Amino acid sequence: QKEVEQDPGPLSVPEGAIVSLNCTYSNSAFQYFMWYRQYSRKGPELLMYTYSSGNKEDGRFTAQVDKSSKYISLFIRDSQPSDSATYLCAMSSSYGQNFVFGPGTRLSVLP
Amino acid sequence: DGGITQSPKYLFRKEGQNVTLSCEQNLNHDAMYWYRQDPGQGLRLIYYSQIVNDFQKGDIAEGYSVSREKKESFPLTVTSAQKNPTAFYLCASSIELDFEYQETQYFGPGTRLLVL
Repeated sequence: QKEVEQDPGPLSVPEGAIVSLNCTYSNSAFQYFMWYRQYSRKGPELLMYTYSSGNKEDGRFTAQVDKSSKYISLFIRDSQPSDSATYLCAMSSSYGQNFVFGPGTRLSVLP
Repeated sequence: DGGITQSPKYLFRKEGQNVTLSCEQNLNHDAMYWYRQDPGQGLRLIYYSQIVNDFQKGDIAEGYSVSREKKESFPLTVTSAQKNPTAFYLCASSIELDFEYQETQYFGPGTRLLVL
C-alpha cells in the first residue's frame, strides 16, 4: 500500500461547480498537511497548509483533515477554468521529517 | 523579488554524460531539496540539505550527487550512473525547521531533463 494515495483523475467539472479533491494516507504519525497546485510544466505552488485535524478556509478553498479516518480533502467553490491544474497533497509527521507527496489529481474546469 | 530559480528549463543529456541542474534561492531559507517527478507518480526526494556543507540522501539518491557550498545554491548533478534520468526535476526550499513547527516547502519552476 502506498503511503499516500490520490485519485489521478482526470476530473472534469463545469465552471462554477464545487470540486472535492481527496487523499488518503496510511501513516498515523502524519500531522502536517499541504495542498499544492501545479500547472502544466511548472513547479507546484502552495495553496493550503494545515496542522493536525480540522478545517481551514482561504477564499474559495477549504482544506479539511480527518486524522481518525486518515483522510484529507480540498474543496474549491465556484470553480474557474483557471483552476485547471494538477493538485498534489503532501504530508509529514514531525520536525525533521521529510514530506510525502501524493501522485496528484488532474482537474479540468470547463467554461 | 524573492523566489527560487532553476536553470536551464530544458536540458538534454547524451549517453554517458554528467549534467548539472542549477537551483538558486534568495529567500534566505536554510533547507533545500531536490525532487524528481515522473508521470503518475508523486514527487520523490533525491537529496536534501538543512545547512551549508551538509546534505542527506533521499529515497532515490543513486545516480545523483549534490553540493551545498552556499546557502542560496544547491546544484544537482545527474551522473551517467543514473540509467533512467528522463524526468521533471524540482528544487524546493524551506526556512530552518523549528522544533515545534514544520515549515512547508516552496518550489522552483523545474527543469525537464531529456535523454538524447
